Amino acid sequence: ETGVTQTPRHLVMGMTNKKSLKCEQHLGHNAMYWYKQSAKKPLELMFVYSLEERVENNSVPSRFSPECPNSSHLFLHLHTLQPEDSALYLCASSQSRAGTNQETQYFGPGTRLLVL
Amino acid sequence: AQSVAQPEDQVNVAEGNPLTVKCTYSVSGNPYLFWYVQYPNRGLQFLLKYITGDNLVKGSYGFEAEFNKSQTSFHLKKPSALVSDSALYFCAVRASNYNQGGKLIFGQGTELSVKP
Repeated sequence: ETGVTQTPRHLVMGMTNKKSLKCEQHLGHNAMYWYKQSAKKPLELMFVYSLEERVENNSVPSRFSPECPNSSHLFLHLHTLQPEDSALYLCASSQSRAGTNQETQYFGPGTRLLVL
Repeated sequence: AQSVAQPEDQVNVAEGNPLTVKCTYSVSGNPYLFWYVQYPNRGLQFLLKYITGDNLVKGSYGFEAEFNKSQTSFHLKKPSALVSDSALYFCAVRASNYNQGGKLIFGQGTELSVKP
């Protein structure tokens, strides 16, 4: 589980705050992901970065802004969030290979976010 | 469209008894199938996956899963449950056809409770 780390583990923020979530992977992978996990709902894929390029953005509101400065780090910048954005935000990484979908995604422990 | 169904929100098992957590899927072409486990306040941990070959896949912590193409199922099993197996279990599917994008789709999760 230490292959993918996330900070902070818990975050409480007001609707007018700006904060950032950080993810770091130590597995030498070339793809990173942000997921949102809400109670009683399947994991929702938010963003995918492959080789530091954003390759997927699943209609996520603009108050969530991802950043991938290199293949080991992924950020999720948050601003003017809503209470319904409270959830567990999970980061994952994988070794993506062209022409195949076989790779396994490895997850970090998540950041538990509460928006007041 | 790809989809995954975990028909049981909760499964209760006595320690030492066999356990089954059900998963059915829908995907175009051949599927890649995954099981993950999530302990409280932790991220998702990879258990096992089916890519091709033997329909019975063995994974971590004594778990195994059987791929059944005719029933489009990939049920997770363990011959003898432990109290420490109590957790949330997620099934996920991905299309094997790389041109279909390769997004990993998760089920809504099944809460496994193993009582002493």
